[in-house]
Amino acid sequence: DVHLLESGGGLVQPGGSLRLSCAASGFTFSSYAMSWVRQAPGKGLEWVSGLSGSGGSTYYADSVKGRFTISRDNSKNTLYLQINSLRADDTATYFCAKDKSWVVVASFDYWGRGTLVTVSS
Amino acid sequence: QSVLTQPPSVSAAPGQKVTISCSGSSSNIGDNYVSWYQQFPGRAPKLLIYDNNKRPSGIPDRFTGSKSGTSATLGITGLQTGDEADYYCGTWDSSVSAGGVFGGGTKLTVL
Repeated sequence: DVHLLESGGGLVQPGGSLRLSCAASGFTFSSYAMSWVRQAPGKGLEWVSGLSGSGGSTYYADSVKGRFTISRDNSKNTLYLQINSLRADDTATYFCAKDKSWVVVASFDYWGRGTLVTVSS
Repeated sequence: QSVLTQPPSVSAAPGQKVTISCSGSSSNIGDNYVSWYQQFPGRAPKLLIYDNNKRPSGIPDRFTGSKSGTSATLGITGLQTGDEADYYCGTWDSSVSAGGVFGGGTKLTVL
């Protein structure tokens, strides 16, 4: 069975940083693109960032470009999201999602349960 | 403001059929496959439809997807109270700012 388990969320002050992790199991991690998708409280889904199976191609939403960095360690079957310069509107549950393809096509067949990031002073 | 446009809500009686529309542009729906997701409160989204009209294993054939030009549609027949959830369309956007895009979500109420 495919499992995705996010961690690293929490309460952080505006301007602060966090590193989210997503531990994957049950599939050949390096063969699939991965993405982070977030959902603010009571709001819809927002794609944040994605990268290819090799990690060689990365993409970011305009709202996070320059502040967030996505990466992966295929030897550890783990996806990361480094988030810097946090703002109140970054408050959301962050989901890790597995793409159906080696390249990012934003078709997500498995999702983690999410990790909550709260930005507040 | 979401890149893809969905109606905020739809409703129908048990046993009836409902459709949810998703409107985009030539750089997203017009150029890429569409997926549909179901989300219950407090839960992660679940893939219902991929590649416009394909169902993952375990998804009943009551759920169907279609695409025409820059729009896509999710259909649900034989509505059940357990179908009451939020539904999202999503795809890739091939514009200069390439990335994933979602609709704003549609709340389905089964009356």
